[in-house]
Amino acid sequence: DTAVSQTPKYLVTQMGNDKSIKCEQNLGHDTMYWYKQDSKKFLKIMFSYNNKELIINETVPNRFSPKSPDKAHLNLHINSLELGDSAVYFCASSPRQGESIQYFGAGTRLSVL
Amino acid sequence: GDSVTQMEGPVTLSEEAFLTINCTYTATGYPSLFWYVQYPGEGLQLLLKATKADDKGSNKGFEATYRKETTSFHLEKGSVQVSDSAVYFCAPGNTPLVFGKGTRLSVIA
Repeated sequence: DTAVSQTPKYLVTQMGNDKSIKCEQNLGHDTMYWYKQDSKKFLKIMFSYNNKELIINETVPNRFSPKSPDKAHLNLHINSLELGDSAVYFCASSPRQGESIQYFGAGTRLSVL
Repeated sequence: GDSVTQMEGPVTLSEEAFLTINCTYTATGYPSLFWYVQYPGEGLQLLLKATKADDKGSNKGFEATYRKETTSFHLEKGSVQVSDSAVYFCAPGNTPLVFGKGTRLSVIA
């Protein structure tokens, strides 16, 4: 069983569209994250949730809205997609808040045309 | 906030060559230090960690020593294999994690 799974793996869409990426972890962890990795492999945190509550919200446009229906799921919805949103988005989880050992999903490659 | 400087890649080595990937950091306090690895098409996974000054983390033949005086955590391996081809990320352990820009390693047979 995949510990942290993301869907879809690839997402190709037009500018201006709205899309969602889903993430689920079966590790029983309390904390989940979204990261963005640009074309140069630079990885930056976007959001973190602990037990369904938002605890980290880095400088990310309002078009990005995370939602955590329960502590095993953290979805990312993106409105009005722009060319600059093209990147690989990684979901991750950790046992608890403040834990530095994180478990990553395989990533969702988003291409905005 | 924390920051990480890693050597620029890509690094291309022949099999069985010696590897060093440099990492220096600035961090609040004295957190644990980590190396994560990203194999092609996959997410990051923890490679090794060191929890305090002078500790050496090791895994899969890779080693890194926590050097508080030079704020460094250089990754080394004595004999690389083709299967080590990946992108390597250094990170101080304060949360949220701040990763370096990653160093791509390509090992050729």
